[in-house]
Amino acid sequence: ETGVTQTPRHLVMGMTNKKSLKCEQHLGHNAMYWYKQSAKKPLELMFVYSLEERVENNSVPSRFSPECPNSSHLFLHLHTLQPEDSALYLCASSQGGLPSGNTIYFGEGSWLTVV
Amino acid sequence: DAKTTQPPSMDCAEGRAANLPCNHSTISGNEYVYWYRQIHSQGPQYIIHGLKNNETNEMASLIITEDRKSSTLILPHATLRDTAVYYCIALYNNNDMRFGAGTRLTVKP
Repeated sequence: ETGVTQTPRHLVMGMTNKKSLKCEQHLGHNAMYWYKQSAKKPLELMFVYSLEERVENNSVPSRFSPECPNSSHLFLHLHTLQPEDSALYLCASSQGGLPSGNTIYFGEGSWLTVV
Repeated sequence: DAKTTQPPSMDCAEGRAANLPCNHSTISGNEYVYWYRQIHSQGPQYIIHGLKNNETNEMASLIITEDRKSSTLILPHATLRDTAVYYCIALYNNNDMRFGAGTRLTVKP
């Protein structure tokens, strides 16, 4: 138990569906992240929120839409995805930024399959 | 691209120390080195991190060379549950913890 909870753990969706991934952190952190891990590829940073403001968006397609309503919750809204978007989506949080030597804690991930 | 290089795989006997090397010759003087591990189908688990000095916690020890060009993660008494992919990470840029391919450690009975 890392203090970062992701739901659902597994999701299967069609290419025309709209779904959302949810992340909640119980650590009192002020920064939250979405990462994507495809099969046999390194983790890729998608979005970073600091104090509920988006501070980084690594050229992610618009079919992925993040939302951070408060410092404890992070959503990833999914719309008209492609089969190649099937991957493990990981949420993470930290207190303060990484360059200061703070630790980032990951959730268990949400396995997404697009059919 | 990751700033670190690690061997793709290593084996270790159960109960022995596992020493996982990492080269990071291009990191700057104020960049921390982090270690995480990932067991199949789970999220990465934080192990330890350091800047210049050696660090130790309940999971492992981190030995960083004086020139900071390399480091070694030491699991003092490896168990079968330590079988995982171990990632040595330096920050790619602000907020981007760029994972490489890691080292697949197999602990054998």
